[in-house]
Amino acid sequence: GEDVEQSLFLSVREGDSSVINCTYTDSSSTYLYWYKQEPGAGLQLLTYIFSNMDMKQDQRLTVLLNKKDKHLSLRIADTQTGDSAIYFCAPEAPYTDKLIFGTGTRLQVFP
Amino acid sequence: DTAVSQTPKYLVTQMGNDKSIKCEQNLGHDTMYWYKQDSKKFLKIMFSYNNKELIINETVPNRFSPKSPDKAHLNLHINSLELGDSAVYFCASSQGAWGSDVYGYTFGSGTRLTVV
Repeated sequence: GEDVEQSLFLSVREGDSSVINCTYTDSSSTYLYWYKQEPGAGLQLLTYIFSNMDMKQDQRLTVLLNKKDKHLSLRIADTQTGDSAIYFCAPEAPYTDKLIFGTGTRLQVFP
Repeated sequence: DTAVSQTPKYLVTQMGNDKSIKCEQNLGHDTMYWYKQDSKKFLKIMFSYNNKELIINETVPNRFSPKSPDKAHLNLHINSLELGDSAVYFCASSQGAWGSDVYGYTFGSGTRLTVV
């Protein structure tokens, strides 16, 4: 089955860029999503990328997809303290109608 | 107006008890899910229903029984609760049954279950 890996922690200074990385094993995912989970809350869809795209920009968020290396990244420009949360990479497992979540990366933003 | 709502938000109960978690979505989605998030924040799908029909049933003890009275509701009943059942349970919904769309999944805010 699909395996999704993310590093567990990332710490950045306010105003810097954050880059959260994700590797996955199944290259046939059609959609790949990024979710954000704030403390004590549910998951919130942040953005997604379709598998035939290399890059998608959405305001402060940039998603990069390298299908050959099965690598997905989320860049947050001008990171703010409100961005502190856990970020989940979630490729869609093909033909199964389910998402496979990575472990999540805990982003901590300090002043 | 909450799109996917779960109740209760918190549930503390003793081992051996039976409990239910309810989920409702008002998005008109066809598919609903239960996910379990363990203490390490790892999420794993448990069940999914499409239009009241079970389509995914991962390896979950049969003490867990989902029930979908209509496509807007998916409840989770757990018998004989064990300490290891302590986790956060998320309900979610999506538009399609096979393949996703640009909206992905909409999650509820989670139910934190603590078994003591």
